[in-house]
Amino acid sequence: AAGVIQSPRHLIKEKRETATLKCYPIPRHDTVYWYQQGPGQDPQFLISFYEKMQSDKGSIPDRFSAQQFSDYHSELNMSSLELGDSALYFCASSISGQNTQYFGPGTRLTVL
Amino acid sequence: QKEVEQNSGPLSVPEGAIASLNCTYSDRGSQSFFWYRQYSGKSPELIMFIYSNGDKEDGRFTAQLNKASQYVSLLIRDSQPSDSATYLCAVNQAGTALIFGKGTTLSVSS
Repeated sequence: AAGVIQSPRHLIKEKRETATLKCYPIPRHDTVYWYQQGPGQDPQFLISFYEKMQSDKGSIPDRFSAQQFSDYHSELNMSSLELGDSALYFCASSISGQNTQYFGPGTRLTVL
Repeated sequence: QKEVEQNSGPLSVPEGAIASLNCTYSDRGSQSFFWYRQYSGKSPELIMFIYSNGDKEDGRFTAQLNKASQYVSLLIRDSQPSDSATYLCAVNQAGTALIFGKGTTLSVSS
């Protein structure tokens, strides 16, 4: 079965640079969630989208923005990167009305 | 503040034994309850979900939910070394983000 696709899988950036992470949900899934997981931490919710509209917002820094496109893929844009942004970034998708979320493989972001 | 609590472990069990992982949650409005397995550096993998009070079995895994006690558990029968991982308990309401516990590290020794 098709799963959530994330790209890139690994990303290395310098401080103050920008990064764009992409997420392609499972086919027919219309809802996308972004989570950040720091070393030794549990995943923390950043932001979610349903039908191209932001549906909920968590602990996403103002330096980050995201959107969902007409094909339901989503992009997380991160600017003015800081050392503390180094983490695993997961995208999860679900079908609206269903609570189960399936996670992608994640993007490991390292900020030097 | 909605919270999900888990013992961080490590929980150590011998191969073939039953592993029991526990989780409590604070929000009585929580509707759905999940157990994810996460290997180091990998993404959370859905193991079980449960919506109603009682037990739900899937192969070697049994999830138990007690909404009155705000308690969720996961039993792993015939534990295998490959079950060694961090188990994340998560809860949500309809269409909302998952709230995770900090995870319990399980170690199964052969």
